[in-house]
Amino acid sequence: QSALTQPRSVSGSPGQSVTISCTGTSSDVGDYNYVSWYQQHPGKAPKLIIYDVNKRPSGVPDRFSGSKSGNTASLTISGLQAEDESDYFCCSFAGTSFVFGTGAKVTVL
Amino acid sequence: EVQLLQSGGGLVQPGGSLRLSCAASGFTFTSYAMTWVRQAPGKGLEWVSGLSGSGGTTYYADSVKGRFTISRDNPKNTLYLQMNSLRAEDTAIYYCAKDSQFIVGGAFDPWGQGTLVTVSS
Repeated sequence: QSALTQPRSVSGSPGQSVTISCTGTSSDVGDYNYVSWYQQHPGKAPKLIIYDVNKRPSGVPDRFSGSKSGNTASLTISGLQAEDESDYFCCSFAGTSFVFGTGAKVTVL
Repeated sequence: EVQLLQSGGGLVQPGGSLRLSCAASGFTFTSYAMTWVRQAPGKGLEWVSGLSGSGGTTYYADSVKGRFTISRDNPKNTLYLQMNSLRAEDTAIYYCAKDSQFIVGGAFDPWGQGTLVTVSS
């Protein structure tokens, strides 16, 4: 199972919006709505921020949103804040396994 | 509060074995699938294995199939990962995580603190 493809880096100024893409195949992202997103700060465990494509866990700010079209899922951060600077990973169910994305680093300029 | 406390890990020689543990608290352990995810130094996340709330359904990544065994002791609220025939490429921080459903849900939350496994001679 190959890793889902994410851009290596994304950047934006405070208050702007950024979108991270996550491209898979018809066997994973395209076939299931079990797509989740994780935020990971350096030296810390990942934190769930989006699940089931577009649902936010309790406590996650509503500036984080998710969507999916075909084989590509997307995470949008609206109103970018300094604390959003982090690594972000997507994840999809693939039938009998899960596959993570390659990871994207978000830089707040 | 839902918590996952990991133990085990350390330095092991190639070909050796190691068992990781993940003690859960704050939720009904038997109602949720659990999963293991690893992260090689400076690299991304790699899903390793998962199993259902009853332990009757297991899933493995191709990279560990036949070498790793996931299990759970529900009365002890503990998840395990038995790792055999370890290779240098298994060197990583290993995380356990709670899934969102009984079989699979793919919403891994929360995560344990992580434990480092180093495979080297």
